[in-house]
Amino acid sequence: SQQGEEDPQALSIQEGENATMNCSYKTSINNLQWYRQNSGRGLVHLILIRSNEREKHSGRLRVTLDTSKKSSSLLITASRAADTASYFCATDAAGKLIFGQGTELSVKP
Amino acid sequence: GAVVSQHPSRVICKSGTSVKIECRSLDFQATTMFWYRQFPKQSLMLMATSNEGSKATYEQGVEKDKFLINHASLTLSTLTVTSAHPEDSSFYICSAVDGYNYGYTFGSGTRLTVV
Repeated sequence: SQQGEEDPQALSIQEGENATMNCSYKTSINNLQWYRQNSGRGLVHLILIRSNEREKHSGRLRVTLDTSKKSSSLLITASRAADTASYFCATDAAGKLIFGQGTELSVKP
Repeated sequence: GAVVSQHPSRVICKSGTSVKIECRSLDFQATTMFWYRQFPKQSLMLMATSNEGSKATYEQGVEKDKFLINHASLTLSTLTVTSAHPEDSSFYICSAVDGYNYGYTFGSGTRLTVV
């Protein structure tokens, strides 16, 4: 079953702009993770934020988590054409990882 | 870091035949492994959770007799798609949990095409 809802479903921006993707979920979680997937390929783990954390940074990535609203956001700053991919949030709860519907990001050079 | 090897990466099979996909944790013991299916332009759907030495737990709507999962050792889980049909064509991805670090590591996926 899907837990996360992501928006937007698709996002098209110019190189250098920031990209923000949002994720909402339904149940209590241990942590929330963001993954990236290039077309037809495996997953790349980007960042994990625990339920007791509110914000986390990793390079050009910034993730926030609001457990009261059951939502998270992923910000990619100064985007590059190579950031073009699908991005998924995944919630870790009850011993399994459930993925959101994903956001397809296109960064135009 | 933890590595999960998944084979084959691509397979084409005829309708009605069975296909086995392997998922191996190379440098850690995986207490739990997960199998996901992903249709084009869609997200990953969890199919089942397998624990070494016990029966797999299937998600609602997943046919356990069609998708046979065996987790015979702490480093190997297999998914067998039995009597495959074209609608089973999909991208299948496994994930293994390191019981020590409790991190999820994903295989590179298997693209199954049933003709």
